[in-house]
Formats: sequence, structure tokens, C-alpha cells
Amino acid sequence: QSALTQPRSVSGSPGQSVTISCTGTSSDVGGYNFVSWYQHYPGKAPKLMIYDVNKRPSGVPDRFSASKTGNTASLTISGLQAEDEADYFCCSYAGSYSLVVFGGGTKVTVL
Amino acid sequence: EVQLVESGGGLVQPGGSLRLSCAASGLTLSSYWMHWVRQAPGKGLMWVSRISLDGYKTNYADSVKGRFTVSKDNAKNTMYLQMDSLRAEDTAVYYCTGESPGDRVDFGYWGQGTLVTVSS
Repeated sequence: QSALTQPRSVSGSPGQSVTISCTGTSSDVGGYNFVSWYQHYPGKAPKLMIYDVNKRPSGVPDRFSASKTGNTASLTISGLQAEDEADYFCCSYAGSYSLVVFGGGTKVTVL
Repeated sequence: EVQLVESGGGLVQPGGSLRLSCAASGLTLSSYWMHWVRQAPGKGLMWVSRISLDGYKTNYADSVKGRFTVSKDNAKNTMYLQMDSLRAEDTAVYYCTGESPGDRVDFGYWGQGTLVTVSS
């Protein structure tokens, strides 16, 4: 069982929006503004999509946005495109001992 | 272009050892904290270990402490993970990843992973 809880799958039609939740505790997600999100195509290297809760690295489309409320972080993909079909996982700083914890990953399917 | 290429994975019996390598190009390992992260089949990611810029500071997840050793050769721009006393639960894809610079806690650089299977 992963430290952070994500839905196993979400789906949407092209052009729609989907939101992925990532629920932790006050010791990780709720305690720090160091939540990041990654896009992962099977067999490929994961790609950083969001860092520091809601910041996008250069090159990441602004269709990807994120936020955090309490112990739950969220990633929203707006204007869903076929190329967005991938696994997405969240990550949070969890203190100097545990360092970081990850979510179990969410498969996004474009219908 | 940054590339991290893992190698050394394979099938090993319980109790055996394996050494993973992570060769970097386009990124100087002496300038980054580097980590190993793994994903067991059907499971989420799990942080395994990290090593400091100069290679003198290391940290490990409790589940691998005392069995795994991370190291790096900055001259070869390569990081290693020596895995001893392997258990079935260590079966996973192991990813080499580089921590983003600055006052951040995220991973801007990833390899494609190498599969380790521990089975008799």
C-alpha cells in the first residue's frame, strides 16, 4: 500500500477535464508545499509535470494545473488530448527521515 | 539533453547480490543529489536511497537499510546501487533519478529503469 492515496484510474473524452486526487497526511502533503506530479508512459522515463504544489517546469503545457487543500493535492488536465493517456503519480516531501513518499499512480484513459 | 541510463538488473536468487549502475550524460552528478526509486509489480513508487553531491552523505529507506549501499563515481559520472541479501520483495523496476536543483524537493531527471527479479 502506497503512502499517498490516488484513484487507480480516471477517464475522459478528448477536450474534457479530469482531476486526479492525491491524499496523504499532515506529515507529508498537508505539512509541506513540496508536492510534485509525474507523467509516466510504460517503459519510459517518468517526466516531472508539476513541482512545489502548482508550478510547471518549462515545456509543460498549461493544460496541466495543480493545487492542494489540507492533506489532499490534485492534478487537473484540461482539454484532454490523446497523448495525455499515461500513468500519473504524485510525490510529497515527508520530513528528513522518510524523505519522500509517492502515490500508487493513476492511469488516465482518453476515451 | 540529459540522459540517465540504468543497467545491471536481472534475475537473482533470494539472498543473492546485484549491482545497478546509472550512467549520466548531459548532467554532472557532482552537482546533484541523486536517488534510487523503485516500483514493484502492480505497486506504486517507493523511495529507496539518496546520495549527496560529493558522495559522502547517504540515506536509505528502512526496508533496505543495512542491505543496500549507494555510491557514485563523479569522475565516471556514474551512480551505483549495491544490493545484497536480496529478498523477493525487492523485485521491482529500479529508477535512477536526479533531484531538481535549488530549494526544491522533486525529481527533474529520470532514467527508464532496470528490472530486478528476485526469485528461485
